[in-house]
Amino acid sequence: DTAVSQTPKYLVTQMGNDKSIKCEQNLGHDTMYWYKQDSKKFLKIMFSYNNKELIINETVPNRFSPKSPDKAHLNLHINSLELGDSAVYFCASSRPGTSRYEQFFGPGTRLTVL
Amino acid sequence: EDKVVQSPLSLVVHEGDTVTLNCSYEVTNFRSLLWYKQEKKAPTFLFMLTSSGIEKKSGRLSSILDKKELFSILNITATQTGDSAIYLCAVEGSWGKLQFGAGTQVVVTP
Repeated sequence: DTAVSQTPKYLVTQMGNDKSIKCEQNLGHDTMYWYKQDSKKFLKIMFSYNNKELIINETVPNRFSPKSPDKAHLNLHINSLELGDSAVYFCASSRPGTSRYEQFFGPGTRLTVL
Repeated sequence: EDKVVQSPLSLVVHEGDTVTLNCSYEVTNFRSLLWYKQEKKAPTFLFMLTSSGIEKKSGRLSSILDKKELFSILNITATQTGDSAIYLCAVEGSWGKLQFGAGTQVVVTP
């Protein structure tokens, strides 16, 4: 009965590789997000999708490409991984439409680029 | 540019002490302010504040928002070791975008 799930939980890979992180939510929410939390624990939004449409696209290298096959899934593909991509990536979802909602976070994916 | 500033960055207290965490913000199109607690994994939701001067409480935690002075405080009374965590403040702007502060690391010692 997990609300927001991510796979994998841990990802260790070499520089230059391409990897994907998957996210699924079973809350019936319309909006999903990807956040990056760096080593200093600073949590920063990367992307947001509402009903499969991109609505927030922060200044993120174009090596990062989100894909939303349906409103319950938001995957993150990263090309040509760099050392600086090492971080914890959190997926989140929410119910939009009003200002009275909260975002539910997934457990995170710890990415380590060697 | 939008910004959210939390203070202090970290603090250590003894069990039973009271803790006050601060969050100030500058955000265009402010919609709400949220507090999250992050232990080892994902942030977990504590409070959402949208109106000034209305205190929200949950057990030993409480929070209040001042939209005129653009800040919020989170209080934890009678702290316990289980309160040790990073407390994140986030402000919601346009399109549901959450701008997070750097967090306050709270350590409660027995």
